[in-house]
Amino acid sequence: GDSVTQMEGPVTLSEEAFLTINCTYTATGYPSLFWYVQYPGEGLQLLLKATKADDKGSNKGFEATYRKETTSFHLEKGSVQVSDSAVYFCALRSGYALNFGKGTSLLVTP
Amino acid sequence: SAVISQKPSRDICQRGTSLTIQCQVDSQVTMMFWYRQQPGQSLTLIATANQGSEATYESGFVIDKFPISRPNLTFSTLTVSNMSPEDSSIYLCSVKLAGGQGGELFFGEGSRLTVL
Repeated sequence: GDSVTQMEGPVTLSEEAFLTINCTYTATGYPSLFWYVQYPGEGLQLLLKATKADDKGSNKGFEATYRKETTSFHLEKGSVQVSDSAVYFCALRSGYALNFGKGTSLLVTP
Repeated sequence: SAVISQKPSRDICQRGTSLTIQCQVDSQVTMMFWYRQQPGQSLTLIATANQGSEATYESGFVIDKFPISRPNLTFSTLTVSNMSPEDSSIYLCSVKLAGGQGGELFFGEGSRLTVL
């Protein structure tokens, strides 16, 4: 079935460092792809999305490009802040529901 | 977006008891789902809540353990029956909004259950 694989965490970075969290997918066709974020003690929030190949989703300085050639949707940010510390989930649309990756915990230190 | 209210937000339960979680949405929705997030884990889809009919369960989840109701478009309940410590999880209500583009889902804050 459709699934996503994302890099294991935890990831620890210093403030202003460059962030990449890898996500690859296995699916029939070209499903919509998503990144969700879960801040400590909060619910799951949609961070960005891409609905077709070569689309770039962006929000709050984060970006991800839907690459069908490599079946990837890597999350990037040029300069992370302490407030970006959270768990990030890659997901793909499967039917009407979403299938999620295992999540990557990010800790940004001052 | 929408406001998705879940109750209770957290509870501590005794083994063998059952607990019902409510989910209320303030906007028009087309689909409602229930997910489980076990400690330190990702989200697993339990079932799709269908209005006025039986829910559609994913592999590994059964109606006797997780009965679900959806009497109208914006309200659903999930019951966790005959609980054991393995049921300690966060249970999340999720919705697809009417008119939404791209297929994204919105999530409630979750109901954190601890079973002793």
